[in-house]
Amino acid sequence: SAVISQKPSRDICQRGTSLTIQCQVDSQVTMMFWYRQQPGQSLTLIATANQGSEATYESGFVIDKFPISRPNLTFSTLTVSNMSPEDSSIYLCSAGTASNTGELFFGEGSRLTVL
Amino acid sequence: KQEVTQIPAALSVPEGENLVLNCSFTDSAIYNLQWFRQDPGKGLTSLLLIQSSQREQTSGRLNASLDKSSGRSTLYIAASQPGDSATYLCAVTGNQFYFGTGTSLTVIP
Repeated sequence: SAVISQKPSRDICQRGTSLTIQCQVDSQVTMMFWYRQQPGQSLTLIATANQGSEATYESGFVIDKFPISRPNLTFSTLTVSNMSPEDSSIYLCSAGTASNTGELFFGEGSRLTVL
Repeated sequence: KQEVTQIPAALSVPEGENLVLNCSFTDSAIYNLQWFRQDPGKGLTSLLLIQSSQREQTSGRLNASLDKSSGRSTLYIAASQPGDSATYLCAVTGNQFYFGTGTSLTVIP
């Protein structure tokens, strides 16, 4: 199994500012993902974080708004840029050891409130 | 596109009851199915992973089954406890991970 640490666990931010969320995995993993979970909703995949290259974004998410870094196999960051109240969500980092057959693990999430 | 549905959306049971949560998916070409638990405002905790070649997995009071051909999985919780109160999500793996909308479970002492 993999243990995933995310920080901050929660933050309250002002409109127009940016926040970077960090995700650290305790072991080397193949796959790292960032999800958003809006209140009362299920998870929506933002992007797949690729080691040493640009992230792969899902439809509706763009790099300018959600820049992602993954400098090595155990660490990734997600930045939420130029925030608006609509960005208030839980942001979740997840990781897996195999592309399709492996188990997926999650961090504790970062609860973001934008005023 | 794969669609994952969980019924019921919410469930309330008295402590001690056995219960079943349902997960259905539209595309049977999956690699595995995973059940998670999510406490309010928290991340997801993996409960059980069933590979596509398997029919069921058990962990303690939890038993998950998988019927790929009919596109269904069930999570059986035996002798429910108040600490089981949480939202339970299922996810299937195809070319990416697809999540259901979850079942919110309340176990009443």
